[in-house]
Amino acid sequence: EVQLLESGGGLVQPGGSLRLSCAAAGFTFSTYAMSWVRQAPGKGPEWVSAISGGGGYTHYADSVRGRFTVTRDNSKNTLSLEMNSLRAEDTAVYYCAKHRVAHTGDFDYWGQGTLVTVSS
Amino acid sequence: DIQMTQSPSTLSASVGDRVTITCRASQSISNWLAWYQQKPGKAPKVLIYKASSLESGVPSRFSGSGSGTEFTLTISSLQPDDFATYYCQHSSSYPRTFGQGTRVEIK
Repeated sequence: EVQLLESGGGLVQPGGSLRLSCAAAGFTFSTYAMSWVRQAPGKGPEWVSAISGGGGYTHYADSVRGRFTVTRDNSKNTLSLEMNSLRAEDTAVYYCAKHRVAHTGDFDYWGQGTLVTVSS
Repeated sequence: DIQMTQSPSTLSASVGDRVTITCRASQSISNWLAWYQQKPGKAPKVLIYKASSLESGVPSRFSGSGSGTEFTLTISSLQPDDFATYYCQHSSSYPRTFGQGTRVEIK
């Protein structure tokens, strides 16, 4: 059974940093691209970042490029999102999601999400 | 970036109704289109992928069609469990983008 479990969310002041993690199980982690998707309160989902199975390719939404960094440790089946220079508009539930196909496709499994609140 | 536009934003329907939601892409995405259902406090759940493929375990009353720039999600006979918000999303390129959502509510 595929399982994705996010952690690391919390309250942080504007300008601060936070590191999210996603522990994966139940599939060959290194084979699949992974994404982070966020959802602000009362809004629709917003794709944030993706990383290839091997970790060599990364993609970012314009809204986070230069502030967020996605990485993965395939030896530990873990996906991470380092978030710096946080803004109020980064407040959201952050989900990690597995891509259906190795390099592309939709998201066939999602974690339960972790809440990030950016506020003074 | 490819923009995804859903209509309607809200849909009021009764149990047993046939429901259709439309999603338009700002440029051709072939069949790289997925539909998700989301209930309050839960992660989105994929219903349809590659425009018309039914996700395993999803009831057959859900179907998807379309290619290029215009797509539809149809629920053939609305059930009480189907009252939720539905999103389309393209996976043709980065950035992946979602439609703004269609809330299906009880009439």
